[in-house]
Amino acid sequence: KAGVTQTPRYLIKTRGQQVTLSCSPISGHRSVSWYQQTPGQGLQFLFEYFSETQRNKGNFPGRFSGRQFSNSRSEMNVSTLELGDSALYLCASSDSGRKETQYFGPGTRLLVL
Amino acid sequence: SQELEQSPQSLIVQEGKNLTINCTSSKTLYGLYWYKQKYGEGLIFLMMLQKGGEEKSHEKITAKLDEKKQQSSLHITASQPSHAGIYLCGADDEAQKLVFGQGTRLTINP
Repeated sequence: KAGVTQTPRYLIKTRGQQVTLSCSPISGHRSVSWYQQTPGQGLQFLFEYFSETQRNKGNFPGRFSGRQFSNSRSEMNVSTLELGDSALYLCASSDSGRKETQYFGPGTRLLVL
Repeated sequence: SQELEQSPQSLIVQEGKNLTINCTSSKTLYGLYWYKQKYGEGLIFLMMLQKGGEEKSHEKITAKLDEKKQQSSLHITASQPSHAGIYLCGADDEAQKLVFGQGTRLTINP
């Protein structure tokens, strides 16, 4: 089985722009979770989607949004980018949403200038 | 909100030596996850501990959960260069959101 893929792997944006990141889960997995990792705040949960519905959400401003499609692929969008949004964005997929069955993608590294 | 504190933040050990990483929770632990991350890459799930006193092993890595101390320890025996990376502990908060420790960066010197 192919693993979790994230595109793009690297991205450079400027303040005020918006960005869309994509995550393709392992075939058959219906749950996709997104995480943000920064040197200052560490690894933080953004949101989880299961069968196209947002099942849980972390403490992030409304500029961060996501969605999941019928084929389980997920996108997250960040609008009005700030310098502090520079981070490694990780997605993880699982068949049930249980943390111990999650497989992580390699991440998208976003740099906001 | 639940917080996880890991110690030490970084660790440099000689190849072949044993080492221990600790993860202490500010609240009751109902489940504790350990992950390994190579720098700038995704996480690899190592193991999950659910019950107080539970101990699990994966190759040369052993993790224990001390429910009373709200603490988990990860022990690596006879460390190898392949063990190098960042180790993170994670736990579910009351809302079933995964919270993480800040990570322990492990370097193995040959």
